[in-house]
Amino acid sequence: RKEVEQDPGPFNVPEGATVAFNCTYSNSASQSFFWYRQDCRKEPKLLMSVYSSGNEDGRFTAQLNRASQYISLLIRDSKLSDSATYLCAVADFNNDYKLSFGAGTTVTVRA
Amino acid sequence: GAGVSQTPSNKVTEKGKYVELRCDPISGHTALYWYRQSLGQGPEFLIYFQGTGAADDSGLPNDRFFAVRPEGSVSTLKIQRTERGDSAVYLCASSPGTGDYEQYFGPGTRLTVT
Repeated sequence: RKEVEQDPGPFNVPEGATVAFNCTYSNSASQSFFWYRQDCRKEPKLLMSVYSSGNEDGRFTAQLNRASQYISLLIRDSKLSDSATYLCAVADFNNDYKLSFGAGTTVTVRA
Repeated sequence: GAGVSQTPSNKVTEKGKYVELRCDPISGHTALYWYRQSLGQGPEFLIYFQGTGAADDSGLPNDRFFAVRPEGSVSTLKIQRTERGDSAVYLCASSPGTGDYEQYFGPGTRLTVT
């Protein structure tokens, strides 16, 4: 079983819609959680760190569920520019903070 | 400020050749990570430096791969006797390393071994 798993999608949504997807992780010692956005042939860009209480940044909301070992990302009022692959990453303080990534969830927002 | 930079952006080499990939982290970041990303996959950890020392090289696939960071800033990933399976995007990331562990990635080097 992979350490971090994501639904690959694609999620095809119209502009203005809400889209949400999850990421599950297997290492219960994981302590830091992140969402990265990656555009085609570009590097991952940090979108959000995920805090235990859940956090919001504009149209983006991240949640952490430690009991069930998953994190989620919700995008409200989708824009065409939100089309990208969203990578989930987890890290363990006891393991040098190296990130373990999922394979990504592809989101396509259509006009 | 300047982000993480990597050179070259693209490298095409023949099987069996030696290559060096360079990473220049964000100024002041003490932690530096190398990852490798294949098509359709997330980045996979290779090696982590804290300062000048390789604190964790458990992700290096074999002894053909080696990395250095002699002065605690720029790092070089070295691959000997390249194989076609080494073809991937090699990503470097840096983080402040103390209390703040968010990692910021460079644009990557796309390595193609023919």
